[in-house]
Amino acid sequence: ELVMTQSPATLSVSPGEWATLSCRASQSITNKLAWYQQKPGQAPRLLIYGASARATALPPRFSASGSGTEFTLTISPLQSEDFAVYYCQQYHHWPPSFGQGTKLEI
Amino acid sequence: QVQLVQSGAEVRKPGASVKISCKASGYSFSSYYIHWVRQAPGQGLQWMGIINTRGGATDYAQEFQGRILMTKDTSTNTVYLELSSLRSEDTAIYYCARIHSAGYFYHPWGQGSLVTVSS
Repeated sequence: ELVMTQSPATLSVSPGEWATLSCRASQSITNKLAWYQQKPGQAPRLLIYGASARATALPPRFSASGSGTEFTLTISPLQSEDFAVYYCQQYHHWPPSFGQGTKLEI
Repeated sequence: QVQLVQSGAEVRKPGASVKISCKASGYSFSSYYIHWVRQAPGQGLQWMGIINTRGGATDYAQEFQGRILMTKDTSTNTVYLELSSLRSEDTAIYYCARIHSAGYFYHPWGQGSLVTVSS
């Protein structure tokens, strides 16, 4: 079974600084990785797909990279609206699966 | 715009069933599969299954086999998730999500439907 592991579980950063979130797959998923942002009371929102492609209208302060088993999402500079929970999702192997999330807090 | 609108919150007793709807608009309904994902309180996202909105074929996560049913109504561009033999651990927000044209990731998502299982 493919396992997606995100780290850290919680990341405390100040507005204006940068944050780097990590996602690791237990086996290669090539570049079939998406990132989502979820705010309290809202559905997840697609940010990134294909490991590094930004979704429509996503600000350029969001960037992502990686392939194989190691992936990162970087947000710089952080704005107040970026504090949320972030999930990675692989779609290379069936069934699709999610990481457990990273909470980005002030 | 492309949109998925789900039915409202439900409360059920243990052992009962629940049926949630997800109405699609703004695109060709039969052209994109829809998945269901759930989120227990304070927890992460769990994939439940997929429905082919053209032919109706389904595939379910093993955890739910035997008590899950996904159906569609092409006349109303609506998909349904039915979960039976409910237990307290099924208390969660249930989301429908459309796959993207570029792969099996999700955009957009429905707003979510809260199901509470309590005696």
